[in-house]
Amino acid sequence: AQSVTQLDSQVPVFEEAPVELRCNYSSSVSVYLFWYVQYPNQGLQLLLKYLSGSTLVESINGFEAEFNKSQTSFHLRKPSVHISDTAEYFCAVSDHDSGGSNYKLTFGKGTLLTVNP
Amino acid sequence: GAGVSQSPSNKVTEKGKDVELRCDPISGHTALYWYRQSLGQGLEFLIYFQGNSAPDKSGLPSDRFSAERTGGSVSTLTIQRTQQEDSAVYLCASSYKRGGVYEQFFGPGTRLTVL
Repeated sequence: AQSVTQLDSQVPVFEEAPVELRCNYSSSVSVYLFWYVQYPNQGLQLLLKYLSGSTLVESINGFEAEFNKSQTSFHLRKPSVHISDTAEYFCAVSDHDSGGSNYKLTFGKGTLLTVNP
Repeated sequence: GAGVSQSPSNKVTEKGKDVELRCDPISGHTALYWYRQSLGQGLEFLIYFQGNSAPDKSGLPSDRFSAERTGGSVSTLTIQRTQQEDSAVYLCASSYKRGGVYEQFFGPGTRLTVL
C-alpha cells in the first residue's frame, strides 16, 4: 500500500516570497511522483511529474520539485510566488511496477497556498 | 482538442435516491478513472477501466456504487440509495501512454450534495 503525507494543510505567504510545499510518501515499490494544482472552482491540472532520470523536475511557470529517494520526499518549491499561484496543491504517487497499465493515483490531503499582496 | 467533460456539474438529491454521473473522456484515451474528493477523506481512487479488460473496482466504498463504460468511451458512475456521506466532488480522468506511463487528464468534476 502507498501513502502520501503533505505536512502543511495551509501555507500563507507574501507575494514575491519563496515557498516550499512539503510532500513525503511511503511505498514498498518504486513510484512515479506528481504534483497537481487545483485553482479555485477549477479541476485538477498536472503541474509536474517525476518518472525517471534527473531528480529535479520543473514546470513551465517556475515551480520545481526534487525527488529524494533516501528521504522519500518530493517537495515543491518556487523562488518567488505570484498572487495567481493561490491554489490548492496535491502531491500524488502511482505504482511504478503496476504490472499492467493501472497507474491509479494516491493523493495527499492537499496544501492550500495563499499568496497575499 | 476537447478535454474530459462531466455532467451534471452539480447534482442535489435526497437521501435514498439513485444518481447517475457521466464522464466523456478525451477521444482516443483508452484508460478511464473515477476519483472522489471529499472534505474528510481527500482525493480517493474509486474505479479504473482499460479497454475491454475487467475494471479494477477496488476503491468503490460500498456495493451501492457501480460504474460502467460503454463502447470503451463514455462512463457512468451510479450511486444507489444515496447517503449524506456520499456528498463529494466526483472526478473523472482519462489517460493515454506518454513517455512510458499513462498520464491522467482530469475533468471538472460533478459536485454531489445529498440532503
